[in-house]
Amino acid sequence: SYELTQSPSVSVSPGQTARITCSGDALPTKYAYWYRQQRSGHAPVLVIYQDSKRPSGIPERFSGSSSGTTATLSISGAQVEDEADYYCYSTDTSDKSNWVFGGGTKLTVL
Amino acid sequence: QVQLVQSGAEVKKPGASVKVSCKTSGYTFSEYYLHWVRQAPGQGLEWMGRINPNSGGTNYAQRFQGRVTLTRDTSFSTAYMELRWLTFDDTAFYYCAIIAVAEEGLPVFDHWGQGTLVTVSS
Repeated sequence: SYELTQSPSVSVSPGQTARITCSGDALPTKYAYWYRQQRSGHAPVLVIYQDSKRPSGIPERFSGSSSGTTATLSISGAQVEDEADYYCYSTDTSDKSNWVFGGGTKLTVL
Repeated sequence: QVQLVQSGAEVKKPGASVKVSCKTSGYTFSEYYLHWVRQAPGQGLEWMGRINPNSGGTNYAQRFQGRVTLTRDTSFSTAYMELRWLTFDDTAFYYCAIIAVAEEGLPVFDHWGQGTLVTVSS
């Protein structure tokens, strides 16, 4: 079955750039999406869609890119309030019949 | 505004079934797939499947095949997720969601229910 692989944790100091990666064999041809979840049990929030697009209301410091089998979520000038779990999300099928989330990355800003 | 309102928390015994509802409003129900995602305590997000509200067609994650059924009632703009043969490992928050629909010239459409806690306990 298809898997998306994320590092369990990333830690940066306030003001630094945080980079969270997501690896998957289908990413060269499939979009990556990124969600932020600040508390388990609360609905996640979309922060990047279609690799690099930012929904309205998401700060400009959030950006996304994808190259080969790796998608990257970057948070430039990370702030303490950016601490959260971040999940990538994608599909491996052309008919979008199967979707998966990455295992999640805990971002610590301190 | 778009709303996805889920049914309340459930407590079930091992081996039982649970059916969670997701009542939608504020958009055309038949227009977007509804996905179901779960999150066990302290764990990550897990995609379970999706339903096409227009046709009723479904796709399920392999690990839930045969144990989960997604349905919908277009008259009530409501989707349902039934999970059978519950085990302790099925204790989780279950979410319905319209996930990241991007149409040219329109804001991305991404909406989630509030989540339903299903607890499996003897």
